Amino acid sequence: ETGVTQSPTHLIKTRGQQVTLRCSSQSGHNTVSWYQQALGQGPQFIFQYYREEENGRGNFPPRFSGLQFPNYSSELNVNALELDDSALYLCASTPDRNYGYTFGSGTRLTVV
Amino acid sequence: DAKTTQPTSMDCAEGRAANLPCNHSTISGNEYVYWYRQIHSQGPQYIIHGLKNNETNEMASLIITEDRKSSTLILPHATLRDTAVYYCIVINQAGTALIFGKGTTLSVSS
Repeated sequence: ETGVTQSPTHLIKTRGQQVTLRCSSQSGHNTVSWYQQALGQGPQFIFQYYREEENGRGNFPPRFSGLQFPNYSSELNVNALELDDSALYLCASTPDRNYGYTFGSGTRLTVV
Repeated sequence: DAKTTQPTSMDCAEGRAANLPCNHSTISGNEYVYWYRQIHSQGPQYIIHGLKNNETNEMASLIITEDRKSSTLILPHATLRDTAVYYCIVINQAGTALIFGKGTTLSVSS
């Protein structure tokens, strides 16, 4: 049991549309990160939130945005979808970075 | 870019120890070594981490060389379910991002 739940598991969107992916973390996990994993590659860091504020961002454009809520849930929003946005999107959370992150099983996004 | 170098793939017989090496020659004094693995179609799973001492938990052992420029993850008795991609990552306590390389694909066979 992972303790981090992501929804939906699979999603198909059309180029130009907007998408919201959701993540529910364990109680006490104040830090949440989002990653994008293209086929055959390792996960790439998108951004991280700590206590509802963004505190780190990878090399992703502003059309990738996020929110973290007091109930330990979070969202990843992607506007103006492009074909290259097709990937597995992973959410990871931790109560303390010293203890390692717990990852969800991801949302597989396909942009057509 | 990832700060680590790992072999692309390794094979191991079921029941034998799997020793996965990682080079991190540019590691800084305050950076930890973390290991994660990813089984097909799942999210990465935390295995173990260490700073300079060897570490052991219920999943694996981590051996870090004295100069900290390399480390080895040891799965003492590999099973078929240990077949996965194993990632070695270095990060400091204040670091926000896990930088994943391509990892080592470990194949355990009977």
